[in-house]
Amino acid sequence: DGGITQSPKYLFRKEGQNVTLSCEQNLNHDAMYWYRQDPGQGLRLIYYSQIVNDFQKGDIAEGYSVSREKKESFPLTVTSAQKNPTAFYLCASSESGYQPQHFGDGTRLSIL
Amino acid sequence: SQQGEEDPQALSIQEGENATMNCSYKTSINNLQWYRQNSGRGLVHLILIRSNEREKHSGRLRVTLDTSKKSSSLLITASRAADTASYFCATDEGNNRLAFGKGNQVVVIP
Repeated sequence: DGGITQSPKYLFRKEGQNVTLSCEQNLNHDAMYWYRQDPGQGLRLIYYSQIVNDFQKGDIAEGYSVSREKKESFPLTVTSAQKNPTAFYLCASSESGYQPQHFGDGTRLSIL
Repeated sequence: SQQGEEDPQALSIQEGENATMNCSYKTSINNLQWYRQNSGRGLVHLILIRSNEREKHSGRLRVTLDTSKKSSSLLITASRAADTASYFCATDEGNNRLAFGKGNQVVVIP
């Protein structure tokens, strides 16, 4: 079945540590997105990529980094510069920027 | 920027009743989409309505769009307990990204 896989489901970060969240899709979609969701809140866009080897900052990119070396993969690194990283992170993909997005089941990041 | 704003924020209804929620936005759009999110899961796309459409149906879902008022509504008819979820509207502003609202929590009581 085609879809988006995020891993791990739960992740814990120590102070000063960088952590990487995985996002893989086998839908052959060009566009991929990373969102952050805080309790009771909507989705805020961190980074997005319309094509391999290209990506753009979203609304809250500070403290995060991404790469898009393969069409299927769009990993997100939460760096130590992100002072409040505890949140639910969602990855999505779409055929293009205005098409419906398909979401993974998220990674919940907490601080130890 | 987040521009979709759903109203009301939380809704509790009895099974079998209809649920209506609204979404307002501020700028011109190409299309508006509605998504559902079950607790602890990713979002699932429900329906897309283009800016030149006024109403769209999908099963028990009915979406309307009023571009003059910059608003949309989602109606779920004959609600079921399985419809308990958060519902989000998202607008396509033509910049290769969607702007999501804060969501509307719906609880359907069996």
